[in-house]
Amino acid sequence: KQEVTQIPAALSVPEGENLVLNCSFTDSAIYNLQWFRQDPGKGLTSLLLIQSSQREQTSGRLNASLDKSSGRSTLYIAASQPGDSATYLCAPAGANNLFFGTGTRLTVIP
Amino acid sequence: DVKVTQSSRYLVKRTGEKVFLECVQDMDHENMFWYRQDPGLGLRLIYFSYDVKMKEKGDIPEGYSVSREKKERFSLILESASTNQTSMYLCASSLIQSLNTEAFFGQGTRLTVV
Repeated sequence: KQEVTQIPAALSVPEGENLVLNCSFTDSAIYNLQWFRQDPGKGLTSLLLIQSSQREQTSGRLNASLDKSSGRSTLYIAASQPGDSATYLCAPAGANNLFFGTGTRLTVIP
Repeated sequence: DVKVTQSSRYLVKRTGEKVFLECVQDMDHENMFWYRQDPGLGLRLIYFSYDVKMKEKGDIPEGYSVSREKKERFSLILESASTNQTSMYLCASSLIQSLNTEAFFGQGTRLTVV
């Protein structure tokens, strides 16, 4: 069964800093990997989707990389803002499921 | 934009009640999913459906059933609610079965069983 680990569990940074969130997974046979953000008490908002054949995907200040063979993905956030404060979840996709870890809770301090 | 809408943001039900959670998507997606989210456990798949009237059990189906009579609607049913089913429930949809497309989530339903 796919196991997903996100490190660190919580991160606090000053506004303007660049940061990296890490995701590792145990089964490299994935279709794709998606990054989500979740605000407290809310649903998940899709940020980026990386296909299994891709190495990288960018959207605005976000850049996600995927190394399928080593079971790792990173989410890079440039010039962080207080509005980026949320929990970030990575989700590698199997044939019929997305697998989730417990996420990284990010706080950006003004 | 894809929209996945869950019928309630908050629900409070009594132990033993039959509970219906409704989810509707507006983008003609084939796949729909129900997850529950608990602190320290992440999101866990309860059931999914890849077509009308088709359903598959996920990792934690016990105590739940589902219904998909129309493509756009996927219902989660708690046959007899128990306090250990107090949780955040999240519905999701995606376009095709292989999940090579983006999954979209609803806003979540916070269910409390008392």
